[in-house]
Amino acid sequence: NAGVTQTPKFQVLKTGQSMTLQCAQDMNHEYMSWYRQDPGMGLRLIHYSVGAGITDQGEVPNGYNVSRSTTEDFPLRLLSAAPSQTSVYFCASSHWPGEQFFGPGTRLTVL
Amino acid sequence: GDSVTQMEGPVTLSEEAFLTINCTYTATGYPSLFWYVQYPGEGLQLLLKATKADDKGSNKGFEATYRKETTSFHLEKGSVQVSDSAVYFCALTPASGGSYIPTFGRGTSLIVHP
Repeated sequence: NAGVTQTPKFQVLKTGQSMTLQCAQDMNHEYMSWYRQDPGMGLRLIHYSVGAGITDQGEVPNGYNVSRSTTEDFPLRLLSAAPSQTSVYFCASSHWPGEQFFGPGTRLTVL
Repeated sequence: GDSVTQMEGPVTLSEEAFLTINCTYTATGYPSLFWYVQYPGEGLQLLLKATKADDKGSNKGFEATYRKETTSFHLEKGSVQVSDSAVYFCALTPASGGSYIPTFGRGTSLIVHP
């Protein structure tokens, strides 16, 4: 099993550009989520999904969109990148309410 | 809402010292409790867990006991190694029937010197 995979690992964007962060899992987990991690702020939940076709907002959803068309994939879209979105982004999945499996992260810089 | 409070770091120890990282929580019912570890440049990975009161989770010499009466889940290790240097996160997932939002502590950085 590959576990949770994320692409890309690194990305540099200019303000106003859009992009999609990819996340996939091969463990048949119904629950998937996106976090951002910033120095001194810990992990903050952006969006989560409890199954295909079902998504909901977390703590910091503004500026991000998600969709869940399959159990395996949960992409995160940045609509118009801003410097405040410079961060490390982690995708995670689980059989709720069990342990979460995290991907390796995407390090995003917005200039 | 739910909350997790863990001691601020960094915690700096010499090799073979005893480690305690305190974690207390606020939640209704019986949440599941976790400790995750994050090594530099990597994602979080599960270190140990406990799903009911008085359960003890253990892994790689680390232990934590689910204390309902004190709403705590303190992480301990008897003899730390340089390779234990990392950031440790205490976390909970709500009891069944609750929300689908996990709660993480802010993380505690551990630095172990030879």
